[in-house]
Parts: sequence; C-alpha cells; structure tokens
Amino acid sequence: AQSVTQLDSHVSVSEGTPVLLRCNYSSSYSPSLFWYVQHPNKGLQLLLKYTSAATLVKGINGFEAEFKKSETSFHLTKPSAHMSDAAEYFCVVSAPGGYQKVTFGTGTKLQVIP
Amino acid sequence: GAVVSQHPSRVICKSGTSVKIECRSLDFQATTMFWYRQFPKQSLMLMATSNEGSKATYEQGVEKDKFLINHASLTLSTLTVTSAHPEDSSFYICSGRGGNNYGYTFGSGTRLTVV
Repeated sequence: AQSVTQLDSHVSVSEGTPVLLRCNYSSSYSPSLFWYVQHPNKGLQLLLKYTSAATLVKGINGFEAEFKKSETSFHLTKPSAHMSDAAEYFCVVSAPGGYQKVTFGTGTKLQVIP
Repeated sequence: GAVVSQHPSRVICKSGTSVKIECRSLDFQATTMFWYRQFPKQSLMLMATSNEGSKATYEQGVEKDKFLINHASLTLSTLTVTSAHPEDSSFYICSGRGGNNYGYTFGSGTRLTVV
C-alpha cells in the first residue's frame, strides 16, 4: 500500500523568496517519488523524480527535492520564486520499477505575489 | 524526451452522446497507458490501467461499460465516454509508460463538458 500527503493545500510566497512545498509519503517498499506541475487547464509536466539514486534530486526550472527516508518526506524547494511558478503542484508516489500504479497527492496551489 | 499527444483538448457534447479521447505516444512505445480524471479543485484519480493488447483493468467504482478503453497498439490508446451525462464533465488525462520511460509522461488533458 502507498499514500502521499501534501501538507498544504495553498502556499503563498512573494516573488524572489524561497518556495517550500511539503510532501510526506507512506510506502511498504522503497518508493519512486515524483513532483509534477499543472498550470490552469493544462496537462501535467514532470518537474523531477527520485528513483533510489541520489537523494537530492534537481529538476527543471530551478526546483529540487530531497528524499529523506527517516522523515518519509520529499519536499519540493526553489530558492527564488518567479511569477511563472504560480500553478498547482502534485507529489506522486509509485512502487519501484516500471509499470506500477501511481498515487497522487491532493495538490498544493502555489500563489506568487509580485 | 517522451511525449504523449492527447486529443481533443476540449470537447462539448450533448447528453446521451459518446465522446472518444485519444492518446498517442509519439517517441516511445507505451506498453502501459493510465487514464485519470480530475474534478475541479481535486487531485487526479486513476480510472483504469491498460496494457497493449489486453483488456483494461478498472479501478473500483469506475463503470467499464461506460468508459471504454482500447489499447490496440503500442502507440495509441483511446477512452470512449459512452452515453455521456453532465456528471461526466471532467478533465481526463492519460499517461504512458514503456521502454526506458520510467517517469510517467502525461498527455495535455481533455476538458469534457456535457450539456
């Protein structure tokens, strides 16, 4: 069984300040973890993924996430928010290996204030 | 990188009619295709999983006779919403996996509105 919890449904930051979107997972195995971004009325774009390699994962657009097994967390961060980062972000967990079902978190809406 | 093309992006149909949504993997062979729906301000919920050449596996509560899924080739999967009703209005999105593509690649989604 697997589940993922996104602790904040909304996060608001000022442009140029750091972003932290929190994600905790539950899994009976060593999972694969992903972060996706969804802009309004658009599909999902993969930001980054963790698949049991380096625990600090760098993604696109300056985002990164750190896998912490002891805390069962995979928080998404960015040093400096840009207006274009305003979107919905989803944390996703999957069993390791290919062709496994994924479970989506409930999403965090990021607002960036000019 | 891997690309999944999904069409149409938006469709409005009358109640009682059927709508077909297509997902094509453009540069990889999607041996597995997942179909999700997303209600407003909610997360994505898996509807069904299809493997090329075999019947789809539906999640609990999803009517297989209403949401027909076909995955006849390694590059094409379709979802047909039959006898659509207003409560079927939603955002439908597919994702494909295959070959060395272990990160799920999503289509751009289809906004279905049933009037």
